[in-house]
Amino acid sequence: EPEVTQTPSHQVTQMGQEVILRCVPISNHLYFYWYRQILGQKVEFLVSFYNNEISEKSEIFDDQFSVERPDGSNFTLKIRSTKLEDSAMYFCASRLGLAGAKNIQYFGAGTRLSVL
Amino acid sequence: EDQVTQSPEALRLQEGESSSLNCSYTVSGLRGLFWYRQDPGKGPEFLFTLYSAGEEKEKERLKATLTKKESFLHITAPKPEDSATYLCAVQDGAGGTSYGKLTFGQGTILTVHP
Repeated sequence: EPEVTQTPSHQVTQMGQEVILRCVPISNHLYFYWYRQILGQKVEFLVSFYNNEISEKSEIFDDQFSVERPDGSNFTLKIRSTKLEDSAMYFCASRLGLAGAKNIQYFGAGTRLSVL
Repeated sequence: EDQVTQSPEALRLQEGESSSLNCSYTVSGLRGLFWYRQDPGKGPEFLFTLYSAGEEKEKERLKATLTKKESFLHITAPKPEDSATYLCAVQDGAGGTSYGKLTFGQGTILTVHP
């Protein structure tokens, strides 16, 4: 069964360092997302990406964040200068289309980011 | 702003003891309501999607229902392996634009004891 793959599973970094979280969405999917979940809190939307551009972003997704689809398979989230409050589980998700079963978002297992 | 509230926050059941989880939502125009299961340290796993009031979906011991203000996830004769956090999320389609953003509730932690 196709799945969303995220690497690494755990990333430890020092405050102020740049990190790149990587995702391989399901191969024929067209819409891509990043969410995050701070320990004990809700899953929160960060950004959606379609047709090689950001389609929507939340207030959390400020200038420190960027996303890229560098090739036909990878989807990355970059945090330029990490802060302690960026420590969270980051989830990548993808969906095929807009209606019915195509509208289901499938999530990866997540990358746990720990900022020290 | 879309809002999703789930209750109870935690639910402890004995194996075989049926119950229901609630998801109340406020959204401008509901495009879809989604139920996910999340195990500790893992990503949300899709269970159901509901699109219109009155709709019902079933899978094994789980049944999801939808009204104009809330959704229920009914668990019939649960087993210990049903223990997980159950997440509800809404997708807003107001204005005809939907980039697919999901707004999640805080989840219900279900523990089923043997």
